[in-house]
Amino acid sequence: KAGVTQTPRYLIKTRGQQVTLSCSPISGHRSVSWYQQTPGQGLQFLFEYFSETQRNKGNFPGRFSGRQFSNSRSEMNVSTLELGDSALYLCASSWGTSGRGSEQYFGPGTRLTVT
Amino acid sequence: AQSVTQLGSHVSVSEGALVLLRCNYSSSVPPYLFWYVQYPNQGLQLLLKYTSAATLVKGINGFEAEFKKSETSFHLTKPSAHMSDAAEYFCAVSEYQTGANNLFFGTGTRLTVIP
Repeated sequence: KAGVTQTPRYLIKTRGQQVTLSCSPISGHRSVSWYQQTPGQGLQFLFEYFSETQRNKGNFPGRFSGRQFSNSRSEMNVSTLELGDSALYLCASSWGTSGRGSEQYFGPGTRLTVT
Repeated sequence: AQSVTQLGSHVSVSEGALVLLRCNYSSSVPPYLFWYVQYPNQGLQLLLKYTSAATLVKGINGFEAEFKKSETSFHLTKPSAHMSDAAEYFCAVSEYQTGANNLFFGTGTRLTVIP
């Protein structure tokens, strides 16, 4: 069974631009969560989507948004990029129906560099 | 609120020696706890999880963790370290919220294995 895939793997953008990252979950998984990983703040939860609806959201500004499609694939968008948005963005998928305790499977991440 | 604290940002062990990575949790309700491993330039891989079924949890690659409620701990151990165990390890707790499935991570412990 194929794992979680994320595209692109690496991205370089300029301050003020916007960026869209993509995540394809494991087949059959309906929940997709996004996390930001930085050396200073560690791993932080961005948001979770389940059946095309945002089910939970972390403490990030409105510049960070996401969506989920009917095939469970998800995208996250960051507008008006800032230098501090440079990070590894990780996507995780799970069955999603049992709530907390569901095992989450992570993709390899997208490394975003903002210059 | 749920949180985890990982004691020791760096741990070094000799090949063949015991691995002990510490994690303490804070939760007002029975926690769901996880250990993940991250190899360089990769996403997170689930090692094991605790969901109250058994206090001693066995995971992949010879790792296990013991849930101790009296000590609010969930330390990760492996009897004999291999060179391939060198990586960063994260302890995480699942948020207590109906339907929610996001994780709160510790700051991570980087394990170095000395030949």
